Amino acid sequence: AQTVTQSQPEMSVQEAETVTLSCTYDTSESNYYLFWYKQPPSRQMILVIRQEAYKQQNATENRFSVNFQKAAKSFSLKISDSQLGDTAMYFCAFMPRGGADGLTFGKGTHLIIQP
Amino acid sequence: EAGVAQSPRYKIIEKRQSVAFWCNPISGHATLYWYQQILGQGPKLLIQFQNNGVVDDSQLPKDRFSAERLKGVDSTLKIQPAKLEDSAVYLCASLDRTSGGIYNEQFFGPGTRLTVL
Repeated sequence: AQTVTQSQPEMSVQEAETVTLSCTYDTSESNYYLFWYKQPPSRQMILVIRQEAYKQQNATENRFSVNFQKAAKSFSLKISDSQLGDTAMYFCAFMPRGGADGLTFGKGTHLIIQP
Repeated sequence: EAGVAQSPRYKIIEKRQSVAFWCNPISGHATLYWYQQILGQGPKLLIQFQNNGVVDDSQLPKDRFSAERLKGVDSTLKIQPAKLEDSAVYLCASLDRTSGGIYNEQFFGPGTRLTVL
């Protein structure tokens, strides 16, 4: 079984600043995917960014990028030029490759962007 | 493309009553998941279907929870009898494997918020 740990329950930054959310995981799998999901108050889970474990290159999606350290089992999310609409819960999630591939989520980080 | 549909959006019941939630995945998505999200926590997988077969139900409390996906499309999750600790948001997600698993993105529905009094 795998575990996902997010050690920052809440973070608050000013608009336009850069913020980094931390995530560590533990697994015996060698092939897997990692995700960051955003959940606003509407409860709709929205995929922010994904990373394939076999790829060394860090994923980027516009203002969002990750720092994936496979050996350290670390997967942090960096949000640049933060916007008010980024305010939400952010969940780190692990997905093994294979048949039983339900997501394992961390407890989440509540990110607040201040105007 | 229509998203994952869930109903109802909200449900309030008394403990020991029964309740059912419905999910309609994105058309063509063979894999369907049910997650339970207790307030202040991340979602936890309850059950995974591939077409109408169960792939993983290791975290489903089978003494009170049941789920089915009879025709490999819609799915129903039932709780009978409900307990106070079942108060949570129940999320349904689906995944398309026909792309060869290139994206492996699970698409989530809006969830059903259950309150057990």
